[in-house]
Amino acid sequence: DIMLTQSPATLSVTPGESISLSCRASQSISTNLHWYQQKPNESPRVLIKYASQTISGIPSRFSGSGSGTDFTLNINRVEPEDFSVYYCQQSNSWPLTFGSGTKLEIK
Amino acid sequence: EVQLVESGGGLVQPGRSLKLSCAASGFTFSDYNMAWVRQAPKKGLEWVATIIYDGSRTYYRDSVKGRFTISRDNAKSTLYLQMDSLRSEDTATYYCATHPLGARFDYWGQGVMVTVSS
Repeated sequence: DIMLTQSPATLSVTPGESISLSCRASQSISTNLHWYQQKPNESPRVLIKYASQTISGIPSRFSGSGSGTDFTLNINRVEPEDFSVYYCQQSNSWPLTFGSGTKLEIK
Repeated sequence: EVQLVESGGGLVQPGRSLKLSCAASGFTFSDYNMAWVRQAPKKGLEWVATIIYDGSRTYYRDSVKGRFTISRDNAKSTLYLQMDSLRSEDTATYYCATHPLGARFDYWGQGVMVTVSS
């Protein structure tokens, strides 16, 4: 199984800061990597597909990059509504796997 | 508007069975691969199973293979998950989701809680 390691586990920031979240795969997955946001007591929603492709309706401050084993989710100028948990997920091979998540909290 | 509404969850004893349903609307259900994803309390997301748009193929994670069965009724726009021989570690919120190309999970239901306990 492909393991996805997300770091940091928790990130404390002030609204307005720009941040990067990391997701590292245990083997190369090309760009078959997707990012999700999950707010408390809500279902996840997809933010970025195939490492860097945008999703309709997602604010432009969210962007993704990377290929192979190293991936990054960037949030340009964090807004108050962005404080939640972020997951990466690979679709390169079965079984599909998720990272353990990064919790973005208010400093 | 895409809507996915899960039902059928609840409290069940270890070893017993439960069947989840997911009613879909707002899109052409028969065109889409579908999946179940679960989340144990206070834990992360875990893919469970996927079914191809026409029901011709299914995929499962190892820990549920042989115990869970994903199926669909395209005439009713409904996805199912038959869960047999349930274990305490199956306790989770179960989400159904659209799963285009077997890649990302685009649209998610609100989730249904399954608790396996004596």
